[in-house]
Amino acid sequence: EPEVTQTPSHQVTQMGQEVILRCVPISNHLYFYWYRQILGQKVEFLVSFYNNEISEKSEIFDDQFSVERPDGSNFTLKIRSTKLEDSAMYFCASSELGLGTEAFFGQGTRLTVV
Amino acid sequence: RKEVEQDPGPFNVPEGATVAFNCTYSNSASQSFFWYRQDCRKEPKLLMSVYSSGNEDGRFTAQLNRASQYISLLIRDSKLSDSATYLCVVGEGSYIPTFGRGTSLIVHP
Repeated sequence: EPEVTQTPSHQVTQMGQEVILRCVPISNHLYFYWYRQILGQKVEFLVSFYNNEISEKSEIFDDQFSVERPDGSNFTLKIRSTKLEDSAMYFCASSELGLGTEAFFGQGTRLTVV
Repeated sequence: RKEVEQDPGPFNVPEGATVAFNCTYSNSASQSFFWYRQDCRKEPKLLMSVYSSGNEDGRFTAQLNRASQYISLLIRDSKLSDSATYLCVVGEGSYIPTFGRGTSLIVHP
């Protein structure tokens, strides 16, 4: 069964450093997303990406964040100048159609900022 | 502000029981509705979409009430493996999907 894969599964970084979280969406999907879930809290939408550009973003997705599809398979989330409060599980997801349709999630990257 | 509210948990039920969760949403323009399941420290997995006419998938039944702005999930004949957190997700078509905080279900022998 096709699946969304994310690497690394766990990333520890020092405050102020930059991190790049990587995702390989399902191959025939056209829409890609990043979500985050702070421990014990709800899943929060960050950004959606289609046709090589951001289609929607939430108020959480400020200038500290950026996304990129550097090649035909990878989809990355870059977080600059990390803060303690960026510690969370970051989920990548993809769907055949856009927001409002079924999305399939990767297993997540647990980011710990120390 | 768009809000999606779910029943507080945890729901603690014996195997074989029937359990129902509700989820209310504040945005009357919402167009898409889903139930996801999330196991502890795992990713959300789609359980089922929720259609206007209601839909059923085996032991799971989802209903949508647009007038009262809520959706429900009914689980019949609960299994131990149904223990998880159930997330309600509401979206406005192409706009940002909003997740509820989730309802925890514990099915015990």
